[in-house]
Amino acid sequence: QVQLVQSGAEVKRPGASVKVSCKASGYTFTSYGMNWVRQAPGQGLEWMGWISGYNGDTNYAQKVQGRVTMTTDTSTSTAYMELRSLRSGDTAVYYCARDPSALESSCPDYWGQGTLVTVSS
Amino acid sequence: DIQMTQSPSSLSASVGDRVTISCRASQGISSSLAWFQQKPGKAPKSLIYAASSLQSGVPSRFSGSGYGTDFTLTISSLQPEDVATYYCQQYNSYPLTFGQGTRLEIK
Repeated sequence: QVQLVQSGAEVKRPGASVKVSCKASGYTFTSYGMNWVRQAPGQGLEWMGWISGYNGDTNYAQKVQGRVTMTTDTSTSTAYMELRSLRSGDTAVYYCARDPSALESSCPDYWGQGTLVTVSS
Repeated sequence: DIQMTQSPSSLSASVGDRVTISCRASQGISSSLAWFQQKPGKAPKSLIYAASSLQSGVPSRFSGSGYGTDFTLTISSLQPEDVATYYCQQYNSYPLTFGQGTRLEIK
């Protein structure tokens, strides 16, 4: 069965960076993409970007463009999302979510359990 | 960016009721619309893609309809386990955008 297991909660100072991992199992990693979606406390869902598991192509939301890097390690079927220059507004639960397409982002079908990132001085 | 507007923002219904949630896009998105269910403290769960196709394992009481700018999620007979917040999402163009959510409670 498809499983996406994310790394544990993080507490970071403003200005620092965080890297969240998402280990996939139960499917062929390179045949799908991966979306990253975040949810601030008590708020709705916000799409951050997508990466192809096939060729590493990415598409980022303008709001985080320049501060975010999404990568994959196909040898371990793991996707990563790194966010730099953290500020308090980045405090959120970060989700990875499998995308049925390896060519362009569409709609997620399976979700990770989420990783809470807290940015606080 | 395409704006997604859901209505109502919250609703309360009785077990067995038929429930409908609406989602409107600020411009046409063909059938590139998905619905998600999120229970408190949990990750979202995918319910519907391509406006009306049910994800594997989703109960048949859930259904979706619509095309272009107006879409609907329907629960034919509300069950206690359906208490959640529901989100629509368009994937017709970047950036992908979500509706603000509809909180569903049992009366």
